[in-house]
Formats: sequence, C-alpha cells, structure tokens
Amino acid sequence: GAGVSQSPSNKVTEKGKDVELRCDPISGHTALYWYRQSLGQGLEFLIYFQGNSAPDKSGLPSDRFSAERTGGSVSTLTIQRTQQEDSAVYLCASSPELAGGWDTQYFGPGTRLTVL
Amino acid sequence: AQSVTQLGSHVSVSEGALVLLRCNYSSSVPPYLFWYVQYPNQGLQLLLKYTSAATLVKGINGFEAEFKKSETSFHLTKPSAHMSDAAEYFCAVSAEGINKFYFGSGTKLNVKP
Repeated sequence: GAGVSQSPSNKVTEKGKDVELRCDPISGHTALYWYRQSLGQGLEFLIYFQGNSAPDKSGLPSDRFSAERTGGSVSTLTIQRTQQEDSAVYLCASSPELAGGWDTQYFGPGTRLTVL
Repeated sequence: AQSVTQLGSHVSVSEGALVLLRCNYSSSVPPYLFWYVQYPNQGLQLLLKYTSAATLVKGINGFEAEFKKSETSFHLTKPSAHMSDAAEYFCAVSAEGINKFYFGSGTKLNVKP
C-alpha cells in the first residue's frame, strides 16, 4: 500500500517568503507528526495531530510556524517570513492511532527546505 | 523532561564484525524506547521498540537492543554486520501518555568490506 508522501521533495525559497509543506499520511492513520531535521542534528519534534486536533503546539519553534490538518488526512505545515535558520529537512510521520507514547511511526521521505 | 544521547555520530565496522550503537536516555518517568533506521534516500523505519515488556528486544534484520534501567541505556547490537546495514540509526524516547518523541542526533554506520 501507499506510504506517507510529502510534497514538494525540495523547496528553495528566498528569505522572507512564506512556504507550505504538505503531508499525505497513510490512509486511515489518525495520528500525524511533524519533525524538523537540521544538518547534523537529530529530529526535532514540532507538533502532532490526533484527527484534526493539535493538542500541543509547544514544539513549534516560533509563531511563524503553523500547521493544520483537514478531514483527518492531509496536513500542511506553513512557515511565514522564512529565515535562513529554517533551512532543514521537514519530516512527516503517521501512525494508526495515538496510542499514548508507544506508537510506531511511519515516516515520509521529507521535504528539504533551503532558504537563501 | 526526556532526552536521548547517542554517542558517536559515525561508527565504522568491518563486514562480519559486531555492531554496537550506543543510546543513553533521560526520563523522569518509565520510558518507551525506539530505534529507527534511515537507509540512503529512504524514510525512517522502525527497527525495534521497548514498551515495558521484555528488556531484551529483537527487531528486524538481526538487530536487538537491551533496556538497562540502572545504566539508562538502550544500546543497539547486531552480532555480524552486513554491507546492507550501512545507514543512519536514530534512538528515540517517549513515555506513557506523552505523545511526543525525542530523537537523538543519529549515528551513521559504515560497513567496510
């Protein structure tokens, strides 16, 4: 079956522009996660969704970052007024349900964002 | 608060040699622990996870990890490395009711012929 897909695979933008990153989870998965992977760093947890709800947004680095999920499926991560430090690979993962900490996550291939 | 430390950003072993990738965690509550692997040009996939059952956990491709509470460790091992094991490995921690996952910075495993 189809895995988690993300688009675009690569995005180059100029400082100050807004970008939208898209994640299509595995069909039927109710939990969805966003991470950021900077060069030489581990995965930084950004946000998770249970259905369309995001109970905890404290992982978002600043108020320039926002995310939404519609129809319990597709999610969009938006970065406004991009800065060079936003350059990273943004990873999305989904799991069948929000099992409370022991979820197996299925990761997408990521979107590589470069801010010039 | 939870965190993970992976010692060694790069590990190189010869084919057939023991693989040992180190992971130490910090958690104020009983943890759940995970190892994920990222092969070149692929997404992360789960190798194995510990969720408070047996302390020795067996995963895919001959890997296993042992939860040692006294050492706050969850090291990943494989008795004999294959060339196909070359990848980046990530350790992660979570806990009951905590729907956040904290990943280490990763260890790149190189396998020499």
